[in-house]
Amino acid sequence: AQKITQTQPGMFVQEKEAVTLDCTYDTSDPSYGLFWYKQPSSGEMIFLIYQGSYDQQNATEGRYSLNFQKARKSANLVISASQLGDSAMYFCAMREENAGGTSYGKLTFGQGTILTVHP
Amino acid sequence: NAGVTQTPKFQVLKTGQSMTLQCAQDMNHEYMSWYRQDPGMGLRLIHYSVGAGITDQGEVPNGYNVSRSTTEDFPLRLLSAAPSQTSVYFCASSYSPGRETQYFGPGTRLLVL
Repeated sequence: AQKITQTQPGMFVQEKEAVTLDCTYDTSDPSYGLFWYKQPSSGEMIFLIYQGSYDQQNATEGRYSLNFQKARKSANLVISASQLGDSAMYFCAMREENAGGTSYGKLTFGQGTILTVHP
Repeated sequence: NAGVTQTPKFQVLKTGQSMTLQCAQDMNHEYMSWYRQDPGMGLRLIHYSVGAGITDQGEVPNGYNVSRSTTEDFPLRLLSAAPSQTSVYFCASSYSPGRETQYFGPGTRLLVL
C-alpha cells in the first residue's frame, strides 16, 4: 500500500522568500508518480508539478520545483519568491504507474500543509 | 472545454435519504475518480473507473455506488446518507496513456443531518 506523509501542518514564509514543503512517501511499487496540488481557500484543487520515479532530473514548473530524493523517499516542494497568492493548503500525492508511465488514475494524498505568506 | 463539472455545488440531506452527485467531463478522458475530503485531511479515493462499463472500489467505498455508462459521466450515488458522509466530494478525470495529472472538478459540499 502507498502512503504519503506531510509532517508540517503549517508553514509561514515572508513574501519574496523561498519555502520548502516536506513530503515523504512509502511504496513497494517500482514505478510511481509524485504530484503536488494547491488548494486555496476557494476549495478547488490546482495541479502544480509532477515527478516520475524514473525521471533523472528534478521537475520544475515556473516558481515551483520538486526536490526528488528517491533513496530517501522524499519529494519536497520548493516555492521560490513566495507571493501572497501562494497562501493555501498544499497536498503531496502519489500514484502507481507501469513502466511506460501510464497509470490507473488512483491518487493517494498526504494530509496537507497550510502555507501562509506574510507581507 | 468546460473541463470537469460537478453538480450540485452544495447539498443538505437528512439521514437515510439517497442522492446522486453528478460528474461530467468533456475531455474524452478514460479515467475518472471520486474522492472525499474531510476537514484537515487529504483526499481519499472512493471509487474509480478506467473506462465506460468498468468501475472499481477505492479506499473508502462503503455507502457509495457508481456506474459508468458513458465516457463523459461518472455519477456517485449515496444509498442511505449518514452523518459520517458529511464531506466535500471531488470528481477527477485523466487521460491515459501518458503522464498527465488528474483534473479535478470544483467539488460538492455535502452536509448530512
